[in-house]
Amino acid sequence: NAGVTQTPKFQVLKTGQSMTLQCAQDMNHEYMSWYRQDPGMGLRLIHYSVGAGITDQGEVPNGYNVSRSTTEDFPLRLLSAAPSQTSVYFCASSSLAGGGETQYFGPGTRLLVL
Amino acid sequence: GNSVTQMEGPVTLSEEAFLTINCTYTATGYPSLFWYVQYPGEGLQLLLKATKADDKGSNKGFEATYRKETTSFHLEKGSVQVSDSAVYFCALFMDTGRRALTFGSGTRLQVQP
Repeated sequence: NAGVTQTPKFQVLKTGQSMTLQCAQDMNHEYMSWYRQDPGMGLRLIHYSVGAGITDQGEVPNGYNVSRSTTEDFPLRLLSAAPSQTSVYFCASSSLAGGGETQYFGPGTRLLVL
Repeated sequence: GNSVTQMEGPVTLSEEAFLTINCTYTATGYPSLFWYVQYPGEGLQLLLKATKADDKGSNKGFEATYRKETTSFHLEKGSVQVSDSAVYFCALFMDTGRRALTFGSGTRLQVQP
């Protein structure tokens, strides 16, 4: 049971480049989300999904796109990277049957935008 | 909106010292409260939780009590170890709306031998 997996672990981009951060979970969780972690600011919600085909914006969605074509996968796309998107990105999942409150986090992707 | 406020770090303690990390929250409604821990280079792990007023969460010697009257969820441990060095995040969860966690800014704990 791998839990929540994220790839890549680390990525360097140039301003204006695009990329996709991958997130997968093998727990059959309905709820998945993306957070970014910045120094002194805790984690902030970017986008979330309550099931395949359903996504919605979180607190800081600008510059990011998501889609949810399967229960297992929830990729995060950066359309045109900016230095302000330098951060550590965490994916999380939870079971809505259990109320959704216990969320399981992936190991994170560290992104540097030059 | 909902928010979580944690004490500023870093907190530096000697091994076997008593630990308190303060956490207060603002929420419309009755949230569940959590402490997550992040060890260097790793993701977040759930440390403990409490789902209603006066509940006490506990794990690995850490404890926190949900105090509705003071809107607080302070983390305590009687005797810290070097292996407890990490960043600790307080968070709240509401089972409506986005169903996402609202995090505090985190408190770095450094335990010296």
